[in-house]
Amino acid sequence: GNSVTQMEGPVTLSEEAFLTINCTYTATGYPSLFWYVQYPGEGLQLLLKATKADDKGSNKGFEATYRKETTSFHLEKGSVQVSDSAVYFCALYVFGNEKLTFGTGTRLTIIP
Amino acid sequence: KAGVTQTPRYLIKTRGQQVTLSCSPISGHRSVSWYQQTPGQGLQFLFEYFSETQRNKGNFPGRFSGRQFSNSRSEMNVSTLELGDSALYLCASSLEPADTQYFGPGTRLTVL
Repeated sequence: GNSVTQMEGPVTLSEEAFLTINCTYTATGYPSLFWYVQYPGEGLQLLLKATKADDKGSNKGFEATYRKETTSFHLEKGSVQVSDSAVYFCALYVFGNEKLTFGTGTRLTIIP
Repeated sequence: KAGVTQTPRYLIKTRGQQVTLSCSPISGHRSVSWYQQTPGQGLQFLFEYFSETQRNKGNFPGRFSGRQFSNSRSEMNVSTLELGDSALYLCASSLEPADTQYFGPGTRLTVL
């Protein structure tokens, strides 16, 4: 079946530090890959996506590259801010499976 | 363009009651999916609707049901509520199935 494995949290970093949140996947078909972010008390917001191998998704300084050979989609940001504190979810969608499959989420806290 | 809206935002019910949650998709989006989010199980797929038809259903008991109207608005119903149904229920819409899903703020259901 399809599954997503995310880096265990919580992750605490100082402001302006470099961020990496690891995400690997198993899929029966050719998935599209997503990162969603959830701020306290809110729903999920799409952060970025990639639909084919070697695509790089980027938004708000965050980046992730679709690596088919390592089945990974790691999230990175060069300099985090306090406002980036949230829970980050990696997810995949396989056409024909008709649903998003999510990882367990990684809680990120940035301290000033 | 307005985002996905969900009503109500908060609900408190007692065991054995039933509840109906509503979701209005982004204008022009015809596909609606529902997810349940709990601390223990994470994000789990409930069902997906497109053109008033349920296309896919997750592994939930028959007490969970839904429907979609001709204007793409969707409702989900949970009958005979149990304590374990306490969760954040998220609705997501997309232009078509397999397109990128955009989430609403969720309905927080508490069962006492």
